[in-house]
Amino acid sequence: EIVLTQSPATLSLSPGERATLSCRASQSISNYLAWYQQKPGQSPSLLIYDASNRATGIPARFSGSGSGTDFTLTISSLEPEDFAVYYCQQRNHWPITFGQGTRLEIK
Amino acid sequence: EEQLLESGGTLVQPGGSLRLSCAASGFTFSSHDMNWVRQAPGKGLEWVSSFRASDGTTYYPDSVKGRFTISRDNSKNMVYLQMNSLRAEDTAVYYCGKSLIVALGTGPFDIWGQGTMVTVSS
Repeated sequence: EIVLTQSPATLSLSPGERATLSCRASQSISNYLAWYQQKPGQSPSLLIYDASNRATGIPARFSGSGSGTDFTLTISSLEPEDFAVYYCQQRNHWPITFGQGTRLEIK
Repeated sequence: EEQLLESGGTLVQPGGSLRLSCAASGFTFSSHDMNWVRQAPGKGLEWVSSFRASDGTTYYPDSVKGRFTISRDNSKNMVYLQMNSLRAEDTAVYYCGKSLIVALGTGPFDIWGQGTMVTVSS
């Protein structure tokens, strides 16, 4: 099973700042990594798939990069609605696995 | 608008069974892999099952293999999760998810339902 390790567990930033979230895989997953955002009381929503492709309707301030084992989600300038929990997910090997999440909170 | 709507969650005793349903609308259901993902209270996301549209292959993690069964009815745009031998650790919100169509493997989950709560307790 591929383990995805997200860091940091919690990230405290202010609106307008740049956020950098990391996801590391226990073995290579090529570029088959997705990022999801989950706000309190809501279902997750897809942000980025295959490492760098924005999902439909996702603002350009969200970008993804990486391949192999190391991946990054960057939010260029935080908006108030971006404070949420972010999960990475790999689909290169069964079982599909998720990271444990990074909580992005307002500083 | 693409939508998924889960139902069937409830309180069930340990060892009991339950069937969850997910109604899909707004997209060509038969063309897409369908999935279940769960989230225990206050915890992260855990993939539970996938059903490949192309060949009907189903997949499960070890934590539910042999106890859970995913199925679908393309004539009704429905996907189901039959859960048997339920345990306290199966307590979670269960989400239905639609996969994007991709060249290889099962795609990421681009549409999620609102979830249905399953509580396993005596």
